[in-house]
Amino acid sequence: SQQGEEDPQALSIQEGENATMNCSYKTSINNLQWYRQNSGRGLVHLILIRSNEREKHSGRLRVTLDTSKKSSSLLITASRAADTASYFCATAVPFTGGGNKLTFGTGTQLKVEL
Amino acid sequence: AAGVIQSPRHLIKEKRETATLKCYPIPRHDTVYWYQQGPGQDPQFLISFYEKMQSDKGSIPDRFSAQQFSDYHSELNMSSLELGDSALYFCASSRAPPSGIADTQYFGPGTRLTVL
Repeated sequence: SQQGEEDPQALSIQEGENATMNCSYKTSINNLQWYRQNSGRGLVHLILIRSNEREKHSGRLRVTLDTSKKSSSLLITASRAADTASYFCATAVPFTGGGNKLTFGTGTQLKVEL
Repeated sequence: AAGVIQSPRHLIKEKRETATLKCYPIPRHDTVYWYQQGPGQDPQFLISFYEKMQSDKGSIPDRFSAQQFSDYHSELNMSSLELGDSALYFCASSRAPPSGIADTQYFGPGTRLTVL
């Protein structure tokens, strides 16, 4: 099965509310990254959290990582209609020669309504 | 800031034809990755290159091959195309630090390949 599995698969909220998405994974990782994708478009990098970090903030985004439970969460505060997109977590495992391989989760489709 | 460039953005091919997708990484990025995203699917890792050498291989069919050139751009060559190859193909680049420390991958806009 997938290295990263996300829940919920779909989330619909009102503008101004907070949105929380969860990601679980199976193997040891170097870091975990969250990406956003608008329908049929490219992947936009949101935030990276390293395996020795527990929490990270970036603007309205807050990411937590619990390596003992192999899980992460992404919180978007004060959501806006423009936040409507699919959100993917991706776990990074390093190659021996440098760089890292990303394994993506199944994604959460977030819809923020006015 | 410069981003990852992919060309073409859209490509339509017939079954059994060949296709070549190009990727130009962010300047000074030495690692390139290719991912395939089918309709409604999450991106799947295909192959990567670090300093012009293949560094890892994922679920890439034998009909596909790729390389990284001296200017760090990369090309994904796809032969004997099948209907199931229709997907978004993303290239990503990163500046790979020493082994054991991972870095952010920046994705290009993707090439949408349609096989008829």
